Amino acid sequence: DTEVTQTPKHLVMGMTNKKSLKCEQHMGHRAMYWYKQKAKKPPELMFVYSYEKLSINESVPSRFSPECPNSSLLNLHLHALQPEDSALYLCASSQEDRRDLQAFFGQGTRLTVV
Amino acid sequence: AQKITQTQPGMFVQEKEAVTLDCTYDTSDPSYGLFWYKQPSSGEMIFLIYQGSYDQQNATEGRYSLNFQKARKSANLVISASQLGDSAMYFCAMREGGVDTGRRALTFGSGTRLQVQP
Repeated sequence: DTEVTQTPKHLVMGMTNKKSLKCEQHMGHRAMYWYKQKAKKPPELMFVYSYEKLSINESVPSRFSPECPNSSLLNLHLHALQPEDSALYLCASSQEDRRDLQAFFGQGTRLTVV
Repeated sequence: AQKITQTQPGMFVQEKEAVTLDCTYDTSDPSYGLFWYKQPSSGEMIFLIYQGSYDQQNATEGRYSLNFQKARKSANLVISASQLGDSAMYFCAMREGGVDTGRRALTFGSGTRLQVQP
């Protein structure tokens, strides 16, 4: 099983709403990532979790709040977003092993902030 | 500094012909992995092929092959017998195997939009 599952696939939210994006993998990967991708641009790294601990926050605004409740799950909590936060949000996972550098992506959540 | 460079913003190819998408990379880490992903308009990031820095042979997956030239730091994707369904954005990416756990995230190039013409 090389699947990373993201829910929901599409999300429309108002600027005062609170919502969460979810990501799940059962490959035993101990590193999980959130990326943000604007149209016609490459994905940009937001957060990295390693062994359920936040190891990288790429200066992401606090209206985005990641959470890794266990080794299989990764959440991204959204609050008071702006229209410019509308984008495709991708989750990925990988082993924490220098000898195995494969990484796998979920299908993404397309977020629209109105 | 840019770690992954894709110099072709857009490419056209005739159906059934082969096409090469260029990718160069920059790293001082001896352990790294190179990836190619296809992203159609639906947004899904579809994994195509992977090459590890210590792999002796060039990776192949069906119609996809990776022309890995380590000394030149290039990892070009070759798609043989192009199909209309190959029209999409293609991203080259790298993952370094450095000691710093947090730095082992994937870094992407700017992408190449491929259009296959009938």
